[in-house]
Amino acid sequence: DVKLVESGGGLVKPGGSLKLSCAASGFTFSSYTMSWVRQTPEKRLEWVATISSGGSYTYYPDSVKGRFTISRDNAKNTLYLQMSSLKSEDTAMYYCTRGTTGYFDYWGQGTTLTVSS
Amino acid sequence: QIVLTQSPAIMSASPGEKVTMTCSASSSVSYMYWYQQKPGSSPRLLIYDTSNLASGVPVRFSGSGSGTSYSLTISRMEAEDAATYYCQQWSSYPPTFGAGTKLELK
Repeated sequence: DVKLVESGGGLVKPGGSLKLSCAASGFTFSSYTMSWVRQTPEKRLEWVATISSGGSYTYYPDSVKGRFTISRDNAKNTLYLQMSSLKSEDTAMYYCTRGTTGYFDYWGQGTTLTVSS
Repeated sequence: QIVLTQSPAIMSASPGEKVTMTCSASSSVSYMYWYQQKPGSSPRLLIYDTSNLASGVPVRFSGSGSGTSYSLTISRMEAEDAATYYCQQWSSYPPTFGAGTKLELK
């Protein structure tokens, strides 16, 4: 079975940094595009970042571009999200998702980020 | 970016009742995707490529539409279908989600 397990969430002060991890199992990790999607406290879903299967290509919305970096280690079957210059509006549940052509077919259980002083 | 507007925001249905919710896109999209989220759980893919059921999804769910207008239908409401449903597009960057339709059991 496909399994995605996020970790690394927590409470961070504005301007701070944090790195999220996602351990993947149950599928050939290196064959799939992976993404991070967040859900705000208002329950709105927002795409955060996408990385190609080999890691060569990354994509971000303007809201996080330059502050967030998605990466992966295919040898460790692990996806990462390095977040810096954090703002209160980054407060959300962060989901690791497996991507395919146009959609997110598997989601982890999520890890919570709270940005507050 | 393409804005997805879901309606209604909240609805209720009795067991056995037919349920239809809609998703309107601000520009034409090629496909629509639908997710179901129950309280305390992650979103789950329900429908891909507008009308295809994801693995394990009951056949009472169906999706349809084209261009800027899409819909999700439950042929006969069951208690376990009470959840929030989100539509999503990725015809252009950035991929975007609707605000959700909360379906309650009457």
